[in-house]
Amino acid sequence: DIQMTQSPSSLSASVGDRVTITCRASQSISYYLNWYQQKPGKAPKLLIYAASSLQSGVPSRFSGSGSGTDFTLTISSLQPEDFATYYCQQTYSTPQVTFGPGTKLDI
Amino acid sequence: QVQLVQSGAEVKKPGSSVKVSCKASGGTFSTSTITWVRQAPGQGLEWMGGISPIFGTPMYAQRFQDRVTITADESTRTAYMELSSLRSDDTAIYYCARDSGGAPENWFDPWGQGTLVTVSS
Repeated sequence: DIQMTQSPSSLSASVGDRVTITCRASQSISYYLNWYQQKPGKAPKLLIYAASSLQSGVPSRFSGSGSGTDFTLTISSLQPEDFATYYCQQTYSTPQVTFGPGTKLDI
Repeated sequence: QVQLVQSGAEVKKPGSSVKVSCKASGGTFSTSTITWVRQAPGQGLEWMGGISPIFGTPMYAQRFQDRVTITADESTRTAYMELSSLRSDDTAIYYCARDSGGAPENWFDPWGQGTLVTVSS
């Protein structure tokens, strides 16, 4: 299985901050990497697909980049509603997809 | 746009089985792949398996291969995930989601609201 790691595992930030979350794959996955946001008690929500494509309806302050083994999710200016847990997901080995362990972003 | 609505919370005894449903409204159900992901309390996301209703052939994660059965009923636009031989560590929220297709450039969207399954004696 392709293993996914994320750093940091948790992060404290303030409204207006620029935040970057990193996701690393145990082998090259090209650009087959998605990002999800999950708020407490809610289902995950797709933010970014194919490493850098913004899902419809997602604010433009979210962006993704990377290819191969290293990827980043950037929030350019944190808003109060952005405090959540973020997961990366590789689909290179579909159907055996795997998720990262998550990064909890709090105030 | 497809919307997914799951069945309600369940409490099960160890060794029993649970069957969770995921009903689709809107969009095209038959040509979608419905996938199942679980999340243990305070833990991350784990893919369990999925099914394409039009083909009817399920795919399973290796660790659940012997205990999970995923089916779909096109007539009712409903997918099902049945997990057998339940253990306490199967206590989790179980989500269904639509796989966009086009693998490996695929993603999960939208998601159902989740179903809490509690395994306790």
